[in-house]
Amino acid sequence: DADVTQTPRNRITKTGKRIMLECSQTKGHDRMYWYRQDPGLGLRLIYYSFDVKDINKGEISDGYSVSRQAQAKFSLSLESAIPNQTALYFCATSDFPGPNTGELFFGEGSRLTVL
Amino acid sequence: QKEVEQNSGPLSVPEGAIASLNCTYSDRGSQSFFWYRQYSGKSPELIMSIYSNGDKEDGRFTAQLNKASQYVSLLIRDSQPSDSATYLCAVTASNYQLIWGAGTKLIIKP
Repeated sequence: DADVTQTPRNRITKTGKRIMLECSQTKGHDRMYWYRQDPGLGLRLIYYSFDVKDINKGEISDGYSVSRQAQAKFSLSLESAIPNQTALYFCATSDFPGPNTGELFFGEGSRLTVL
Repeated sequence: QKEVEQNSGPLSVPEGAIASLNCTYSDRGSQSFFWYRQYSGKSPELIMSIYSNGDKEDGRFTAQLNKASQYVSLLIRDSQPSDSATYLCAVTASNYQLIWGAGTKLIIKP
C-alpha cells in the first residue's frame, strides 16, 4: 500500500458541485500539503499544514478550503467547483526539520474534471 | 515574483549518453535545491537534493549548484530508456516557500 493515499483517484463532476479530495498518510509526518498541477505550469501550492492545529494558505487558495482532521489526514474541498479547477491534484507530506523543507513525498494524485 | 525557470524540452538524448538538465532561479536568498522525476501520469519523486555550492553525486545522478550564477543542474550518466520522464526543479526561496519549475521532458532514445 502507498504511504500517501489519495481518494478519489479520478472524479468527473459538474460546475457548482461540492467536491472533497481526501489524503491519508502512514509515514507519521507532521507536514502535509495540497498542490495542483496544470500542463506547462508546474506545481502550485494550494494549502499546507505543519501540524493538526496549523493551516496556511498557499499561492492559489481561492476557491478551496482544507481540513486537517488528524496528523494523518488532510482533506481538500472545492465548495462550488468551476471548470478552471480541472487539474491534477497532489497531496504531499514532509518530515524534514526546519523551514527549508523541500523533501516531499507525494500521493498518487487525484485527477479532477469539472464540466 | 520569485521564479524557477526550466527549458520545457523535450530534450532527446541517445541511450548511454549524458543527459544535462538545467534550472535557473531568481531569488538570491535561496538555500535549498531539489530535483524530482515525474513519469507520465505519476506523482513526482525526489531524486536529488543539494544545499551547498559544488557537485553532489548519487549513482548515475550528479547535481551541480552555482549560487553565484543562480543555476542548478542535473546530470544523468549512462542514460537509460527508463530515465525518460519529466524532471522538475524546485527551490526553497528566502521566505521558505518551495518554488517549482514547470519541468523538462527528457526522452532517452534506444
